[in-house]
Amino acid sequence: NAGVTQNPKFQVLKTGQSMTLQCAQDMNHNSMYWYRQDPGMGLRLIYYSASEGTTDKGEVPNGYNVSRLNKREFSLRLESAAPSQTSVYFCASSGWDRVDDKNIQYFGAGTRLSVL
Amino acid sequence: SQQGEEDPQALSIQEGENATMNCSYKTSINNLQWYRQNSGRGLVHLILIRSNEREKHSGRLRVTLDTSKKSSSLLITASRAADTASYFCATVGSGTYKYIFGTGTRLKVLA
Repeated sequence: NAGVTQNPKFQVLKTGQSMTLQCAQDMNHNSMYWYRQDPGMGLRLIYYSASEGTTDKGEVPNGYNVSRLNKREFSLRLESAAPSQTSVYFCASSGWDRVDDKNIQYFGAGTRLSVL
Repeated sequence: SQQGEEDPQALSIQEGENATMNCSYKTSINNLQWYRQNSGRGLVHLILIRSNEREKHSGRLRVTLDTSKKSSSLLITASRAADTASYFCATVGSGTYKYIFGTGTRLKVLA
């Protein structure tokens, strides 16, 4: 049981290049999320997908697109990378824990992206 | 911004002391959760408190919630060097799947 897997772990881009960050979960969770983490800013929600087939904007969606490919996978795309998108990106998933009767998030290890 | 705020931003204590960190949020909530992040890693869930609860315990963790003040606190008792990490609160509103995270408290426990 791997949990939430993100790829790549590190990436360096030049301004204007595009790339897709991959995320997959094996916990059969309905909801998936993309966050960015910048120093002193905590985590800010970029996009989320409450269930397969739906996506919604979070707090900072500009410059990003997402695809909920299936229940397992949720990708984040930067069409034209900018230096302001240098950050650490985290993918998370959440689902109902029937044993503890709660819904919590599980995070991937993150993708460290630098845009030069 | 919808983000919650935590204070202090950073906290340094000796091993064995208690650590208290606070979280303030802006909107009505269904529940509030605390997460821990070790350096360079993803966040890990610690504890959840529902809007109709005032206090929750889990091992050395104690969480309180005051919905009238839109605030919560996390107390870690008898801290250990291994507790060194960043701690974040996250709120979840009613009828939503969105989690709103606070800005975090960096805790350093000195051995």
